[in-house]
Amino acid sequence: EDQVTQSPEALRLQEGESSSLNCSYTVSGLRGLFWYRQDPGKGPEFLFTLYSAGEEKEKERLKATLTKKESFLHITAPKPEDSATYLCAVRSDNYGQNFVFGPGTRLSVLP
Amino acid sequence: EPEVTQTPSHQVTQMGQEVILRCVPISNHLYFYWYRQILGQKVEFLVSFYNNEISEKSEIFDDQFSVERPDGSNFTLKIRSTKLEDSAMYFCASSEGSRGYTFGSGTRLTVV
Repeated sequence: EDQVTQSPEALRLQEGESSSLNCSYTVSGLRGLFWYRQDPGKGPEFLFTLYSAGEEKEKERLKATLTKKESFLHITAPKPEDSATYLCAVRSDNYGQNFVFGPGTRLSVLP
Repeated sequence: EPEVTQTPSHQVTQMGQEVILRCVPISNHLYFYWYRQILGQKVEFLVSFYNNEISEKSEIFDDQFSVERPDGSNFTLKIRSTKLEDSAMYFCASSEGSRGYTFGSGTRLTVV
């Protein structure tokens, strides 16, 4: 059975304090690892897709990387508006077009 | 930027009543999905829909659930006889194919 875990569960940073969020996965035939941002009471907002180990994607202060067992979302010099829950999700041979989501990391960036 | 639109944003219903949650996917997308998120828990897959039929469904999507694309633009989720444990945020999503989905803002369903 595919499994996705994320750590830490919650993270508080000062504005400008860089850090990384972890997503560990166990899947049968990875078809893609996706990062989403979710604000309270809203739907997940797509950030990145990674398909193979060694791949990296960047967007503003965010950078996602992928290995064979985990993905990292690096946040460089975060701002308060980066506060959100960051969700990792995988697609695999077991689930076709559908995602298995991790529990998320709740990020708070303090001014 | 194209959006997935969901209505209503919040629905309160009595246990045992039927509810219909509505979604308007992005117009050129071919795949449609429903997910749900119970408060404080993971986002969970319910069902995917392609070419006017269910392509995959989870164990959660039992006989009390059904989906329909009645008119070529709307995509609905019906819960026939709601239970307290159906209270959750329900998210509709659509995609062109293998790329990431676009999610709607969700319908908060409260069963009392």
